[in-house]
Amino acid sequence: QKEVEQDPGPLSVPEGAIVSLNCTYSNSAFQYFMWYRQYSRKGPELLMYTYSSGNKEDGRFTAQVDKSSKYISLFIRDSQPSDSATYLCAMSANTGNQFYFGTGTSLTVIP
Amino acid sequence: GAVVSQHPSRVICKSGTSVKIECRSLDFQATTMFWYRQFPKQSLMLMATSNEGSKATYEQGVEKDKFLINHASLTLSTLTVTSAHPEDSSFYICSASPLKTGGDTEAFFGQGTRLTVV
Repeated sequence: QKEVEQDPGPLSVPEGAIVSLNCTYSNSAFQYFMWYRQYSRKGPELLMYTYSSGNKEDGRFTAQVDKSSKYISLFIRDSQPSDSATYLCAMSANTGNQFYFGTGTSLTVIP
Repeated sequence: GAVVSQHPSRVICKSGTSVKIECRSLDFQATTMFWYRQFPKQSLMLMATSNEGSKATYEQGVEKDKFLINHASLTLSTLTVTSAHPEDSSFYICSASPLKTGGDTEAFFGQGTRLTVV
């Protein structure tokens, strides 16, 4: 079983839609959860970072962590064409430990 | 957020030659940097963990003599692909986490290096 599972998509939505991206994981030791956005041929860009369970909001982005279900989500409100990218979830158990990545979900927002 | 600079962003080399890729944390110190390889439409595959002042830790299946890692300072790690072959052509990305106490552990990525071996 992979450490982190993420639906690769592709996901296509109209502009203005709410997008929900999800990852599940198997290692209960994970405490740090991150979402990255990666444009084609670029390095991943950190979008959201969450420690332990709970919600975190930043502009149009909301990250949720449910440690009891081993499930994390990223919501994008009022999606824009510029949000079209691959979104990677990542998680780690402790400071300095390696990060485990999902396979990434390809998102296209259609104008 | 913190900035990680990776250089070069793109390199083409001849088969059999060596290529060095640099990863620098510009505004923070990092005792640990990670090197990843990414194939088209796939996620990042961890190659090795680079530790300042000590030997890198390589993931299973990654040849340490082929992918030489040097982490000479708290702000610089280098990956050298030795005797490159066309199958080494890929997108290589580094990441680094700022030194912090208290547990925060965001990882920031370089912009990646597109290596093409001809």
